[in-house]
Amino acid sequence: EVQLVESGGGLVQPGGSLRLSCAASGFTFSSYSMNWVRQAPGKGLEWLSYISTSSSTIYYADSVKGRFTISRDNAKNSLYLQMNSLRDEDTAVYYCARRGGSCPTNFDYWGQGTLVTVSS
Amino acid sequence: QTVVTQEPSFSVSPGETVTLTCALSSGSVSTSYNPSWYQQTPGQAPRTLIYSTNTRSSGVPDRFSGSILGNRSALTITGAQADDESDYYCVLYMGSGSWVFGGGTKLTVL
Repeated sequence: EVQLVESGGGLVQPGGSLRLSCAASGFTFSSYSMNWVRQAPGKGLEWLSYISTSSSTIYYADSVKGRFTISRDNAKNSLYLQMNSLRDEDTAVYYCARRGGSCPTNFDYWGQGTLVTVSS
Repeated sequence: QTVVTQEPSFSVSPGETVTLTCALSSGSVSTSYNPSWYQQTPGQAPRTLIYSTNTRSSGVPDRFSGSILGNRSALTITGAQADDESDYYCVLYMGSGSWVFGGGTKLTVL
């Protein structure tokens, strides 16, 4: 069974940093590109970042470019999101999502999310 | 700044057919944007319904279908059921490593 489990969320002050992790199981992690998507309280989904299987291709949304860094460790079946210079507006549930197959918008499996709260 | 627009809310009676749409602030949505549709209930992660315009994800009932209608991507629910009451999101791949979700549609079945 495919499972994605996020961790690392919590309360952080504005300007602070946090590192999210996504532990993958039930599939060959190294064969799939991955994404981070977030959802602010009561709001819609926002795509944040993409990483290819070998980490050779990485993309970011403008809203997080220069502040967030996506990475992966295929040996540990894990995906990461290093978040620096956090702002109030980064408060959200953060999901990792697997890209299924060749369709770029097919996020076929999602974790349950981890809540990040940025507040003083 | 690309904006993807969905109806904020929609109401449908059980058994009726409803079509939700996904439009671009400028230009037409075509299959080249690979539109996909997601269903989300409160407190849950999104679930894939339709990807690549009209391909139903595994396990999704065939009352859900995707298409291009005019200049928009469309999700049609034929014979809506009570448990279809959810938020629905479309997402487009804009190219050059950019994905944009629509604002979502809150569907009420009553």
